[in-house]
Amino acid sequence: NAGVTQTPKFRVLKTGQSMTLLCAQDMNHEYMYWYRQDPGMGLRLIHYSVGEGTTAKGEVPDGYNVSRLKKQNFLLGLESAAPSQTSVYFCASSYKAGQFEQFFGPGTRLTVL
Amino acid sequence: GENVEQHPSTLSVQEGDSAVIKCTYSDSASNYFPWYKQELGKGPQLIIDIRSNVGEKKDQRIAVTLNKTAKHFSLHITETQPEDSAVYFCAAFNDYKLSFGAGTTVTVRA
Repeated sequence: NAGVTQTPKFRVLKTGQSMTLLCAQDMNHEYMYWYRQDPGMGLRLIHYSVGEGTTAKGEVPDGYNVSRLKKQNFLLGLESAAPSQTSVYFCASSYKAGQFEQFFGPGTRLTVL
Repeated sequence: GENVEQHPSTLSVQEGDSAVIKCTYSDSASNYFPWYKQELGKGPQLIIDIRSNVGEKKDQRIAVTLNKTAKHFSLHITETQPEDSAVYFCAAFNDYKLSFGAGTTVTVRA
């Protein structure tokens, strides 16, 4: 099993450009999450999904949109990138919420110039 | 919302010594406390967790303690080895999400 995979691994954008980050999991997990990791701030939840066709806002959702059209995929979109969105983005999945392990992908390093 | 504070931000230990990382949380409703290890260029990986009805848990060289009254929990690594060098994150689960501490960079000196 590949676990959680993320595409792309690196990306450089100019301010105002758009892009989509793809997350895929092969563990048949119901829950999926998008986090951003910034120096000295740990991981912060952007959006999450409790199942196919559902999404919800996390702690820092502004400037991002998500979609979960298929159970195994969770997409994170930036419609108009800003330098403040320069970060490392991690996708995670879990069987359920609460006291269940979250499995993380390898991350996408995004730089917005 | 939940606020998790983690200390220290960096920790350097001699190989074979112990390492201790401490976290505090603000919301007494938090009921699950995982610890994640992140190696360079990789995603975080769960190393141990503890639930609110347990005071201590051990797994080989790693142990975690929880004090619900004081709202703090700690990670203890004994007999540290070079492969323990990484960034460690504590987290607390409340409502629908995990709230993470800022991380501790642990360096094990040979």
